[in-house]
Amino acid sequence: DVKVTQSSRYLVKRTGEKVFLECVQDMDHENMFWYRQDPGLGLRLIYFSYDVKMKEKGDIPEGYSVSREKKERFSLILESASTNQTSMYLCASRPGGRNEQFFGPGTRLTVL
Amino acid sequence: AQSVTQPDIHITVSEGASLELRCNYSYGATPYLFWYVQSPGQGLQLLLKYFSGDTLVQGIKGFEAEFKRSQSSFNLRKPSVHWSDAAEYFCAVGASTGANNLFFGTGTRLTVIP
Repeated sequence: DVKVTQSSRYLVKRTGEKVFLECVQDMDHENMFWYRQDPGLGLRLIYFSYDVKMKEKGDIPEGYSVSREKKERFSLILESASTNQTSMYLCASRPGGRNEQFFGPGTRLTVL
Repeated sequence: AQSVTQPDIHITVSEGASLELRCNYSYGATPYLFWYVQSPGQGLQLLLKYFSGDTLVQGIKGFEAEFKRSQSSFNLRKPSVHWSDAAEYFCAVGASTGANNLFFGTGTRLTVIP
């Protein structure tokens, strides 16, 4: 079974802090994604990566950056957290040639 | 433009009753279609997918969905709902080849009454 893990299930940070959300997948998938999920808005794509060191902006990249130094790991970075970034963050991975994404359990981030 | 509409924000059904969750999509190419389920506090789990072929697809947990190209719909059904089916359900659409991303609907929350 594909396994996508996220470093924290719950995280509380203060406004202005730098925040790292980590995601690791164990199936050698080429593609990885970061979404945020908010009530009534569904899932919105923040960034995705189709290869090591490669990244593409999604629909809502403002206030976020990403890093993919190794194939299995995709990090989401909030350079200076703000209260409007309080949300559920979901990581997903996808093998090349198949448009089927596998999700991690999510990180619920609260910014105070 | 690509989009997915789930017109029902919240549905309540009695345990044992049948269920249909609606999904309409707009997509410029041949679509791949998915239904995911999210239990409270959890990530998304794939219920079923349609890529091609038979338009009625079977998934896990007794769910099925029917692709209707003429109506741009991919509705999810279950003949008899169990209390454990209470969750949020997301429909998603993506390209059949090439593109990386999926487009998600806003979700339908299912409540099951004992």
